[in-house]
Amino acid sequence: GENVEQHPSTLSVQEGDSAVIKCTYSDSASNYFPWYKQELGKRPQLIIDIRSNVGEKKDQRIAVTLNKTAKHFSLHITETQPEDSAVYFCAAYSGGSNYKLTFGKGTLLTVNP
Amino acid sequence: DAGVIQSPRHEVTEMGQEVTLRCKPISGHNSLFWYRQTMMRGLELLIYFNNNVPIDDSGMPEDRFSAKMPNASFSTLKIQPSEPRDSAVYFCASSYLGGTNYGYTFGSGTRLTVV
Repeated sequence: GENVEQHPSTLSVQEGDSAVIKCTYSDSASNYFPWYKQELGKRPQLIIDIRSNVGEKKDQRIAVTLNKTAKHFSLHITETQPEDSAVYFCAAYSGGSNYKLTFGKGTLLTVNP
Repeated sequence: DAGVIQSPRHEVTEMGQEVTLRCKPISGHNSLFWYRQTMMRGLELLIYFNNNVPIDDSGMPEDRFSAKMPNASFSTLKIQPSEPRDSAVYFCASSYLGGTNYGYTFGSGTRLTVV
């Protein structure tokens, strides 16, 4: 089955700096890659996603890039703010008869004011 | 849409007691997922349903755990008997598979404490 590795497990940045979280996946058939943000005590919420026919997608201060050849994808947050502090999860979906998302272990991002 | 609704939000129970967690998925979604989240293990998929049919329950820890989805708008996760190591946040999520958006919508979770 699919295996998703996520790095780093913790990341601390100064407000205004950029943050990058990286994930690798194992199943070359995976074709959908969402990112979730989970604030303390709350539910994971979808913040951005990318499909395998696209190399990059941006939404204001966040962007996701995908390298299908290398089987890795990354989340980029620019001009970080304290409210970006949360746990971020990447995931991969391989479709077919296996309908489930496989999640990474998560990255705790702390933005220091 | 009210989103995915879970109840209760918090549950404290004594070891050995039966616990039932409930979930109402988003109307029109055809897939439902139960996850358990702990600091040590992160997000673990316990079981998922597609069109009310259990597809993969390989994540269910042991026979003490069972899940049902009697109809498209309701699912339960039952633990009997409960043990302290079952303490975790249990999330239900739903999705529509078959369209172009595979993203999950999570409920607010049930924080279970077994003492």
